[in-house]
Amino acid sequence: GENVEQHPSTLSVQEGDSAVIKCTYSDSASNYFPWYKQELGKRPQLIIDIRSNVGEKKDQRIAVTLNKTAKHFSLHITETQPEDSAVYFCAATPLTGGGNKLTFGTGTQLKVEL
Amino acid sequence: DTAVSQTPKYLVTQMGNDKSIKCEQNLGHDTMYWYKQDSKKFLKIMFSYNNKELIINETVPNRFSPKSPDKAHLNLHINSLELGDSAVYFCASSYNPRFTEAFFGQGTRLTVV
Repeated sequence: GENVEQHPSTLSVQEGDSAVIKCTYSDSASNYFPWYKQELGKRPQLIIDIRSNVGEKKDQRIAVTLNKTAKHFSLHITETQPEDSAVYFCAATPLTGGGNKLTFGTGTQLKVEL
Repeated sequence: DTAVSQTPKYLVTQMGNDKSIKCEQNLGHDTMYWYKQDSKKFLKIMFSYNNKELIINETVPNRFSPKSPDKAHLNLHINSLELGDSAVYFCASSYNPRFTEAFFGQGTRLTVV
């Protein structure tokens, strides 16, 4: 099955700096890669996603890049703000006849310091 | 309007008991899921249903039994609760089984004592 590794597990940045979170996946059949943000005590919520036919996608301060050959994808947050502090999860889903089986990374605790 | 709602939000129970968590979505989605988030925040899929039909069943103990009376509901029943079952359980739904956003419920924090 799919295995998703995520680094780093914790990340501290100063407000205004950039943050980068990296993930690797194992199943070459995976072609949907979402990123979820989970604030303390809250539900995970989708912040951006990318499909395998695209190498990069951007939404305001957030961007995701995908390297299918290397099976890497990354989340980039620019001009970080205190409200960006949360746990971020990457995920991947392989092409299966059985449906969407999101395999999550282990999460990155991002802390944006003033 | 709550898109995916779970009840209860908190559940404290003794070992050996049987408990249920209910989930309902009003998004008109075809697919629903149960995820378990352990104390280290690791999110792992347990079950997935598409139009009331079980399509994913991970290696979950058979003490866990999902039930989908209709495509808007997916309940989780747990028999003979154990200490290791303590976790946050998230219900989620998506428009179809593939490649679409999963909307999560607010989670049920289960504590087995």
